[in-house]
Amino acid sequence: NAGVTQTPKFRVLKTGQSMTLLCAQDMNHEYMYWYRQDPGMGLRLIHYSVGEGTTAKGEVPDGYNVSRLKKQNFLLGLESAAPSQTSVYFCASSYPREREPADTQYFGPGTRLTVL
Amino acid sequence: GQNIDQPTEMTATEGAIVQINCTYQTSGFNGLFWYQQHAGEAPTFLSYNVLDGLEEKGRFSSFLSRSKGYSYLLLKELQMKDSASYLCAVSTDSWGKLQFGAGTQVVVTP
Repeated sequence: NAGVTQTPKFRVLKTGQSMTLLCAQDMNHEYMYWYRQDPGMGLRLIHYSVGEGTTAKGEVPDGYNVSRLKKQNFLLGLESAAPSQTSVYFCASSYPREREPADTQYFGPGTRLTVL
Repeated sequence: GQNIDQPTEMTATEGAIVQINCTYQTSGFNGLFWYQQHAGEAPTFLSYNVLDGLEEKGRFSSFLSRSKGYSYLLLKELQMKDSASYLCAVSTDSWGKLQFGAGTQVVVTP
């Protein structure tokens, strides 16, 4: 079991460029989430999905789009990157799980994105 | 609005005990989580409280008082490897969405 994986691990973009971050999980989880983490601000929810083909906005969705075409994959897109999107991006998945609380989230290793 | 507060940093000596407090005001409450995050790594699950009281898990314990909007994480017999950021997070609805505090950096000194 690889758990939650993210690609790429690092990326540098120029302002205005686009990119897609890929999250994959092999735990058969229904729910998936994208967060960004900035110094002193904690993790903030960008978008989330409660099942294949569904997506919803989180706390800071502007400038991002997502898709969940397959249950195991959750893609985060930046159409026109801005320096304010420089951050560490974490993907997480949850539910159902038998032994721990059902909505415990399991995180991927993160993608460190710099926008110049 | 939603607010989750925890101290920014705490320092303690190896072998000692440290208590990290978390206060919250959220629009919904479906449980409170504590996560540990080492520098440059992903957060990992430590504990979960949904009812008032103390949950013990080895060297780590977590307490919840829903009426006070308060939780703490207790780390006993501190080890150097416990140096990390500890994140308090509240589950605010049935879709498992988490609202995170900014994290408490714990520094363990020899």
